Amino acid sequence: GAGVSQTPSNKVTEKGKYVELRCDPISGHTALYWYRQSLGQGPEFLIYFQGTGAADDSGLPNDRFFAVRPEGSVSTLKIQRTERGDSAVYLCASSPTGEPDTQYFGPGTRLTVL
Amino acid sequence: TQLLEQSPQFLSIQEGENLTVYCNSSSVFSSLQWYRQEPGEGPVLLVTVVTGGEVKKLKRLTFQFGDARKDSSLHITAAQPGDTGLYLCAGATDSWGKFQFGAGTQVVVTP
Repeated sequence: GAGVSQTPSNKVTEKGKYVELRCDPISGHTALYWYRQSLGQGPEFLIYFQGTGAADDSGLPNDRFFAVRPEGSVSTLKIQRTERGDSAVYLCASSPTGEPDTQYFGPGTRLTVL
Repeated sequence: TQLLEQSPQFLSIQEGENLTVYCNSSSVFSSLQWYRQEPGEGPVLLVTVVTGGEVKKLKRLTFQFGDARKDSSLHITAAQPGDTGLYLCAGATDSWGKFQFGAGTQVVVTP
């Protein structure tokens, strides 16, 4: 079956622009996570969805970052007024239930802010 | 600041050698996971440990969770070039599975 997919795979934008990153989780998985991975670091938790609702958004760095999952499946991470420091690989993962469980990661979107 | 400290940061060995990587924290975890990540891909789960003192084996890989559930180790026997990758540990302190990752250990196994 299909795994987690993320689009685009690469995104280059200019400082100050708005970007949207998309995540298609594995069908039927109720939990969805967004992480950010900077060079030489492990993934950093951003936000967790259980169904349509954001159960924990404590990892979002500031109010320029926002994520939605309106139908409990596809999720979009939105970044306003991008800054050079936002450059990183943004990873999405899904799991069947959200309990300490197998998280299946997508390949990530590499965001570069010039 | 990483909640989980992984050591060493980088490890280069010859095929056939053994290696151990460590994951340490001052926090107690309800569960801890190990992942391997290859360039351009997301992490892939290797194992989940939940019980203090637990040892799990996956072919040539042996995972141990510390008695106090604050640390873990991954031992690879007779490493192969296919074991090359970034090994990440991730600990959950909440019941719903919010994981904090370490910075990883980059392992390179040369033929």
